[in-house]
Amino acid sequence: ETGVTQSPTHLIKTRGQQVTLRCSSQSGHNTVSWYQQALGQGPQFIFQYYREEENGRGNFPPRFSGLQFPNYSSELNVNALELDDSALYLCASSVRGVTEAFFGQGTRLTVV
Amino acid sequence: AQSVTQPDIHITVSEGASLELRCNYSYGATPYLFWYVQSPGQGLQLLLKYFSGDTLVQGIKGFEAEFKRSQSSFNLRKPSVHWSDAAEYFCAVGAGGAGSYQLTFGKGTKLSVIP
Repeated sequence: ETGVTQSPTHLIKTRGQQVTLRCSSQSGHNTVSWYQQALGQGPQFIFQYYREEENGRGNFPPRFSGLQFPNYSSELNVNALELDDSALYLCASSVRGVTEAFFGQGTRLTVV
Repeated sequence: AQSVTQPDIHITVSEGASLELRCNYSYGATPYLFWYVQSPGQGLQLLLKYFSGDTLVQGIKGFEAEFKRSQSSFNLRKPSVHWSDAAEYFCAVGAGGAGSYQLTFGKGTKLSVIP
């Protein structure tokens, strides 16, 4: 059974650019959630996907968007990057109806 | 809206000493509660969870936590800390419905262990 994997592990982008982060869910998991963790803070919920549709969203602007694919993998897209978008982005997968989520190692995004 | 407070930003204990990390939550219904641990630059590992039933839950690595509804608390404990326990610990409450929920995290408690 594979765990949750995220790619890339690190990347650096320039303010105003767009970025795509990827997540492969743990085998058998049909729900994916994304979290942003700024330095020194706890993770904050961005959104969740189930059956390829957004199924809940936190307090993030529309330039944060996502996709879930039929194989339950997922992407997080951020447009018009701002310096404050610099953070660790965490993907978590779970089985809908079962309440524990398993996290990937994260993608460290630096915006310069 | 739900919230989680971890009052201690940083705790230092000696190896072999006992540990208690505090967590208070605010949520209108019966909460799902979690403790996660994060090593530097890493993702989150689930230590233990409370959904219902017995209020004392056992987790991995010798950790346990007790749910106290009257105090809105879910404190994490370990009887004897090992140097490898040095990390950041996050308490979280799960809120939502129909099998779908989002986690709200506290700001974390950093644990340092003195050899």
